[in-house]
Amino acid sequence: EVQLVDSGGGLVQPGRSLRLSCAASGFTFDDYAMHWVRQAPGKGLEWVSGISWNSVTIDYADSVEGRFTISRDNAKNSLYLQMNSLRAEDTALYYCAKGSGTVTTLNWFDSWGQGTLVTVSS
Amino acid sequence: SYELTQPPSVSVSPGQTATVTCSGDKLGEKYASWYQQRPGQSPVLVIYQDKKRPSGIPERFSGSNSGTTATLTIGGTQAMDEADYYCQAWDSSSAVFGGGTKLTVL
Repeated sequence: EVQLVDSGGGLVQPGRSLRLSCAASGFTFDDYAMHWVRQAPGKGLEWVSGISWNSVTIDYADSVEGRFTISRDNAKNSLYLQMNSLRAEDTALYYCAKGSGTVTTLNWFDSWGQGTLVTVSS
Repeated sequence: SYELTQPPSVSVSPGQTATVTCSGDKLGEKYASWYQQRPGQSPVLVIYQDKKRPSGIPERFSGSNSGTTATLTIGGTQAMDEADYYCQAWDSSSAVFGGGTKLTVL
């Protein structure tokens, strides 16, 4: 059974940094692209970033480009999101999601973590 | 930037057919996926590549995509189908979600 466990969220001041983690199990992690998707309170889903199986291809939403960095450690079956220069509008529940293929694009998201809440506020 | 438009809400009586639409420029030339999100839960994939169902998703869920509109159809809607539904497609290297549709079964 695929399991994705998100962690690392919390309350952080504007301009500060936070690192999210996603621990994966139940599938061959390095066979699949992985993604982060967020959901602001009471709002819809927003794709944040995706990374290919071998970390060669990385894509970001315009809203986070230059501030967020996605990475993965296939030896540890883990996905990460380094978030810098955080803003109030980054406040959201952040989900790790498994892609359907090795590359980032044209995936569907077939498994999701439980989400980790990031609150950016002074 | 590419946009997908969904109706904010759809209502259906139990046992009837629910239809949720998703509109976007030349959407029929892309693959659409659909996700169900029940209150307080993570999203669940219910349709991918326009009309395919993942294992474990009931047959009453079906999808289509043509022209500018993708459609999620739920036949014989049950109370447990009450949830938010999101369509999703790819625009170049970015995934795009629709704004979501709240399906009410009453």
